[in-house]
Amino acid sequence: DAGITQSPRHKVTETGTPVTLRCHQTENHRYMYWYRQDPGHGLRLIHYSYGVKDTDKGEVSDGYSVSRSKTEDFLLTLESATSSQTSVYFCAISESSGAANTGELFFGEGSRLTVL
Amino acid sequence: ILNVEQSPQSLHVQEGDSTNFTCSFPSSNFYALHWYRWETAKSPEALFVMTLNGDEKKKGRISATLNTKEGYSYLYIKGSQPEDSATYLCAFGPLDSNYQLIWGAGTKLIIKP
Repeated sequence: DAGITQSPRHKVTETGTPVTLRCHQTENHRYMYWYRQDPGHGLRLIHYSYGVKDTDKGEVSDGYSVSRSKTEDFLLTLESATSSQTSVYFCAISESSGAANTGELFFGEGSRLTVL
Repeated sequence: ILNVEQSPQSLHVQEGDSTNFTCSFPSSNFYALHWYRWETAKSPEALFVMTLNGDEKKKGRISATLNTKEGYSYLYIKGSQPEDSATYLCAFGPLDSNYQLIWGAGTKLIIKP
């Protein structure tokens, strides 16, 4: 199994509080991604990283920020959590010799966030 | 807006039967097509990544085909077993946004013993 760990795995918080989710990998893969998964939707990309300090927005980035100061860590921050951000968040990593989207993704176990 | 459709949404299959389901994606702007298997309470795991029209890939009893000109991929499972019960996801990688994958909502497969 790819070495990806997410923390925390479960979190309940209140509207308006900041939340940070951490993704840690031991594979030295270049690309890292944060997705959210909601019922009736496919996985939706929040942000991604293509190297240390290189990040960009995905399709549902509003209300989220990320940082990648080391190859192995990719942090997702909700500056002021809202109920619409209640979801399951998945981190994924990949490596590709060509375009990033030709590399298979390896997923973390998910972090379930509930915003009350 | 790029859209990836998977059908059917769910499927009940008798153990031992073979089955298949479909992933439809935009035929223009194609770069890659991924299939993943997602068991309950686990994380998605990659089955195949395909990039060439006409590509066929196989892993054990599971195989996939790709038609980029008409924008579809089929996933086949031969001789279904209870352990095949899972949600199968496909994801489309567009040419002009090569970090992105656009995901379908999945086909939930339930194998009846």
